[in-house]
Amino acid sequence: DAGVIQSPRHEVTEMGQEVTLRCKPISGHNSLFWYRQTMMRGLELLIYFNNNVPIDDSGMPEDRFSAKMPNASFSTLKIQPSEPRDSAVYFCASSLTGKAPQHFGDGTRLSIL
Amino acid sequence: RKEVEQDPGPFNVPEGATVAFNCTYSNSASQSFFWYRQDCRKEPKLLMSVYSSGNEDGRFTAQLNRASQYISLLIRDSKLSDSATYLCVVNQAGTALIFGKGTTLSVSS
Repeated sequence: DAGVIQSPRHEVTEMGQEVTLRCKPISGHNSLFWYRQTMMRGLELLIYFNNNVPIDDSGMPEDRFSAKMPNASFSTLKIQPSEPRDSAVYFCASSLTGKAPQHFGDGTRLSIL
Repeated sequence: RKEVEQDPGPFNVPEGATVAFNCTYSNSASQSFFWYRQDCRKEPKLLMSVYSSGNEDGRFTAQLNRASQYISLLIRDSKLSDSATYLCVVNQAGTALIFGKGTTLSVSS
């Protein structure tokens, strides 16, 4: 079975550029999560969706970050404009419900120069 | 106070050793508990859920103490392949999972 699919796997771009990260959750999962992981702060929840509706976006750092889930099989996380401090690994995860164990994608390693 | 706290380690143990990790959580309303494993430069993967009565999966034993808001993971007869970071995870009703920063284990031959 296909797991959570993220793209791109790696992204290197200059500060000020727009970055779009993509995620396809496991089919049938109703909840989707975006995380950011750094050495200093660990794994931080940015936002999560339940049935395509954003439930909690309190972890989104600032207005430069936005996330959408137009349908049950696709979500994007966008950073505009990007800054060097946004460099991190961004994970997408999905689960059957908000409380169920989550399945993670391989992550996107983002470097902002 | 952080919501989920773990000793970051690293724990350096020889093969065959028994090692225990501890985790504390701050919100007494937490309802679900898990241990995840994360290998270097990989995604976190569910290792096991943690039940109130304690549960075992092969060499791994997880325990929960609700009164003390404390979770533990015991690994017996550790293998080289157990080297990873172990993340303690809790969940409260209506919220997403909250991850600790992880405890790093290094098993050497």
